[in-house]
Amino acid sequence: DIVMTQSPDSLAVSLGERATINCKTSQSVLYNSNNKNYLAWYQQKPGQPPKLLIYWASTRESGVPDRFSGSGSGTDFSLTISSLQAEDVAVYYCQQYYDTPLTFGGGTKVEIK
Amino acid sequence: EVHLVESGGGLVQPGGSLRLSCAASGFTFSSYAMGWVRQAPGKGLEWVSSISGSGGDAYYADSVKGRFTISRDNSKNTLYLQMNSLRDDDTAVHFCAKFFQDMVTFGGFVHTYHFDNWGQGTLVTVSS
Repeated sequence: DIVMTQSPDSLAVSLGERATINCKTSQSVLYNSNNKNYLAWYQQKPGQPPKLLIYWASTRESGVPDRFSGSGSGTDFSLTISSLQAEDVAVYYCQQYYDTPLTFGGGTKVEIK
Repeated sequence: EVHLVESGGGLVQPGGSLRLSCAASGFTFSSYAMGWVRQAPGKGLEWVSSISGSGGDAYYADSVKGRFTISRDNSKNTLYLQMNSLRDDDTAVHFCAKFFQDMVTFGGFVHTYHFDNWGQGTLVTVSS
């Protein structure tokens, strides 16, 4: 199984400041034949289902604000919120879809400092 | 607009059974793989099972293999999860989720995709 390790577990950032969440996979999720990283990021607010933010490691889902960006390749990935807004308070998860079983990171809770 | 509505959750005793349903609308149901993901109280997300658009291919987490069965009725636009031999650690909100597209096999590799839409979830509580 591909193990997903997210860091930090929680993060407190001032409004308007940058927040960066890291995700490391135990093996590469880059499929060489199509040069795609099989990694997604989701946002989950309390009492709500997860919402897709980023897929293929760096492609922003339609309707997602451009302050959210994804980067990385192979085994090391990041989600960056360039200017934290109050509505971004949530738990963020990375997920690999390179192989079954599909696996998620443990989540990173983002709060306002 | 994609709409996924789960039902069938509830309180069940250890060893009991439940069948979850997920009614889908707003897209051509048979053209997309579907899955179930669960979340124990206060915990993270755990993938449970996936099924191809035709229903011909299904995959399970080791934690539910042999106890849970995923299926779909494309004529009714409905996804199911039959849950047998339920245990205390199956207690969780169970989400139905749509994949970005159907599973594809190329390069000798079955490709699945990210989840692009989720239902609100249904709570399964296993307790005596």
